[in-house]
Formats: sequence, C-alpha cells, structure tokens
Amino acid sequence: EVQLVESGEGLVQPGGSLRLSCAASGFSFSTYAMHWVRQAPGKGLEYVSAISSNGDSTYYADSVKGRFTISRDNSKNTLYLQMGSLRAEDMAVYYCARGYSGSYYTDPLFHWGKGTTVTVSS
Amino acid sequence: DIVMTQTPLSSPVTLGQPASISCRSSQSLVHSDGNTYLSWLQQRPGQPPRLLIYKISNRFSGVPDRFSGSGAGTDFTLKISRVEAEDVGVYYCMQATQSGYTFGQGTKLEIK
Repeated sequence: EVQLVESGEGLVQPGGSLRLSCAASGFSFSTYAMHWVRQAPGKGLEYVSAISSNGDSTYYADSVKGRFTISRDNSKNTLYLQMGSLRAEDMAVYYCARGYSGSYYTDPLFHWGKGTTVTVSS
Repeated sequence: DIVMTQTPLSSPVTLGQPASISCRSSQSLVHSDGNTYLSWLQQRPGQPPRLLIYKISNRFSGVPDRFSGSGAGTDFTLKISRVEAEDVGVYYCMQATQSGYTFGQGTKLEIK
C-alpha cells in the first residue's frame, strides 16, 4: 500500500524558515516524480513544487520561486521542501503527492499524504 | 497558466439523485502526446484530497462506478449517478497537461 507521511509542522515567524519532509513507503520511491500541493485555511488547492524521480529536474510555482527548495533522498525514501523567507500567505496545509511517472510532466496525482500544517505568524 | 473554472460552486443534492459538476479550462488540455490530463479529486471534510478520475474518464482504483467523467478539449464534466451521504465534500478539477498544474475553485456538494 502506498503511504505518504508528511512531517515538519510548525509555527514560524514571517521571514523564518522551515523544512517539511514526506516519508514514502509501499512503492519504489526512486521510480516516481513527487509533488507538493498546499491549501490555505478555507481555500482551494495550489500546486507548489515538483521533482523528477532522480532529482535532476525541479519545478516551482512563481509564488515560491527563489524561496522554497524541493529535494529528495532516494536512499531514505524521503521528499523534502525547504521553505525560507516565509510570508503570511504561505500559511497552509502542505500535501505531498505521487503520480504514475518518473517525470513531473503530465503526472496525475494518484496518491496523497494527509498533510502537515505550516503557520506563519508573529 | 491555465485557468480552471468550475460550475456550480455549490450543489445541494437529494440523496439517491444524480449530480453533475462542470469544469472549463482557459485553453485546450489536449497534450502533444494526444492525451488530455484532466483529473477530478474529492476532498471530504477534514480529509486530504483523493483522486477520483484521471485523463478525463479513467476511474482510479477503488472509486465507485457511480462516478464518471467525460468531456474533451476545454469542457469537462464529473457525474455522480446516485449521490450517497459519503459523497459530501468539495470536488476539484485539475489539469496536468501544462507544467504548473492548476485546480478549479472547488464545488461543494451537500445534501439537501
């Protein structure tokens, strides 16, 4: 069974940093691209970032480009999202997701984790 | 970016009756490989999103057959043949044709 478990939840001041993790199990992690999607309180879904199966290629939404870094450790079956220069508008539940491809292009999001909450407040 | 527009934003439905949600994209979702990467997701209250349908009409594993998807190009529809209590939640369409996937605003399905 595919399992994705996010962690790293926290309260951060504006301008601060936080690292999220997503531990994967039940599948060959190094075979699949991985994605981060977020949901602000009471709002819809926003696509944040993605990384190819081998980590060579990444994508960032304009809203986080230059502030967030996605990475993965295939030896640990873990996906990361390093978030910096955090703003109030980054406050959200962050979900990791997996599709069916090694590329993050045209990769429907088949499996989702339960999410981890990031609160940005002074 | 491709803008995804859903209608209605709220849909009160009687149990056992059908429901339908529309999704329109600001440009064609037909990819150069010939596929159309339009998905539907369900988010029950307090739960993460769950994939229902991918590539317009393919039901994901474990999804009941009362859910069906259709459409082409820029216009797509999710239909629930007979709404059950467990179907309450918010439904999103999502495009994965162009990098920087985008979602519709969400349609809240509630029971009358």
